[in-house]
Amino acid sequence: EPEVTQTPSHQVTQMGQEVILRCVPISNHLYFYWYRQILGQKVEFLVSFYNNEISEKSEIFDDQFSVERPDGSNFTLKIRSTKLEDSAMYFCASSGGPNPGNTIYFGEGSWLTVV
Amino acid sequence: AQSVAQPEDQVNVAEGNPLTVKCTYSVSGNPYLFWYVQYPNRGLQFLLKYITGDNLVKGSYGFEAEFNKSQTSFHLKKPSALVSDSALYFCAVRDGRNAGNMLTFGGGTRLMVKP
Repeated sequence: EPEVTQTPSHQVTQMGQEVILRCVPISNHLYFYWYRQILGQKVEFLVSFYNNEISEKSEIFDDQFSVERPDGSNFTLKIRSTKLEDSAMYFCASSGGPNPGNTIYFGEGSWLTVV
Repeated sequence: AQSVAQPEDQVNVAEGNPLTVKCTYSVSGNPYLFWYVQYPNRGLQFLLKYITGDNLVKGSYGFEAEFNKSQTSFHLKKPSALVSDSALYFCAVRDGRNAGNMLTFGGGTRLMVKP
C-alpha cells in the first residue's frame, strides 16, 4: 500500500540552528500538508501546499517556517532558526485531490528536539 | 471556524466488551468527518470517514462510526474490543466550504483495553 515517508525519524538540534524535514508524499497525490504535535497535545495544522504554492497556513506557520517541493517527489519543511518551543513531532501528509472528502494520509512523523 | 471536541481523555474497557469513543464537531458548512488512530511512537493511521450517505460508516479493524447531524456527533464504536486496540484515537473534521481543506483534530482519546 502506498505510504507517505518521512526523514529523519528523529533529529536533535541546537536552538538557533536551521532544520529541514523531508517527506515523500504518495506518488499520485496533489495536495501536501505539514502538521505538528507537541508532546501530549493535539495535532495542529501548519500548512497546505498545492500546485507549487501554499494554499493555506496557520498562525503557527510564521516567517521562520517555509515549505518547498524541490523536485517531483520530495516535499520539505524548513525551520530557519529553531526555538525550544519548536520541539514536536512533525507529520507530513498528502491527499489525492481538492475534494474535502479525500482522505489525508500521514507519514510516521519526524521527532524534532531542540536543545 | 471548525472545531472538534473529544470529551474523554481516556476510555477504559475490558477485552470483548463494546467500546465507544465520543466526538462532537462544529463547522459552518457540510462536515467531512474522520477518525485516525495513533499507536505508540507511530504516525496517524486512517480508520474511517463520513462524507455523505449512510450515517453508519464502517472502517478498518472492525471499527465503525455513527454520524448524527442533530447532535453534531461522530462517535467511534466497536462491538468487541481487543487488547491490541489500545491506542490514541483522534477525531477530525473538514468544513466543506473551506477551500484549503484543512483538517482540524480533537484532543485525542486514549483507549485502554484490559485483558
